Amino acid sequence: NAGVTQTPKFQVLKTGQSMTLQCAQDMNHNSMYWYRQDPGMGLRLIYYSASEGTTDKGEVPNGYNVSRLNKREFSLRLESAAPSQTSVYFCASSEAGLANYGYTFGSGTRLTVV
Amino acid sequence: DAKTTQPNSMESNEEEPVHLPCNHSTISGTDYIHWYRQLPSQGPEYVIHGLTSNVNNRMASLAIAEDRKSSTLILHRATLRDAAVYYCILSSQGAQKLVFGQGTRLTINP
Repeated sequence: NAGVTQTPKFQVLKTGQSMTLQCAQDMNHNSMYWYRQDPGMGLRLIYYSASEGTTDKGEVPNGYNVSRLNKREFSLRLESAAPSQTSVYFCASSEAGLANYGYTFGSGTRLTVV
Repeated sequence: DAKTTQPNSMESNEEEPVHLPCNHSTISGTDYIHWYRQLPSQGPEYVIHGLTSNVNNRMASLAIAEDRKSSTLILHRATLRDAAVYYCILSSQGAQKLVFGQGTRLTINP
């Protein structure tokens, strides 16, 4: 099925470990986004890529890095995980950088840092 | 980005219409109004968006006030599967991203 695929779906890390969350879309969308959602909260934007080759910070970028590997893939890296990064991470894509296009979201990665 | 205000929660009954309100008194002339919903344990899902005129699609209708300071998402006949958190979001023309608020948690009673 067409859409946004995130891997892994679940992950437990120890404090200080690093990991990369993967995201791929097969809709030929130009823009991609990483959000995090803490329990009972709305989504907060971490980083986004308006087009291939560009990335920009969102509301909560500290502790994260991103790579827009190609048009399809946008990865999120935690260099040194902290318990405060325990959250559900959602990747999304949209047709263009303009926010008047709909977003398609992945099903999320549930990350626990102990 | 202009701010939206939504009730924290609402309840409705199955097979009845649901009207979800959103206030956005500081909306600018080029801001689009978006609605997304998030079912339990899933990612958000696009519902509908509009600029000035009312909009309809297979999921819902969006009614926009004449002064655009408020809007209402209408689910014409709610089902149990419509239980979700509904987010009303504004985005300016040319904006690169959507900023989510807290949303309205909709409960559907059988």
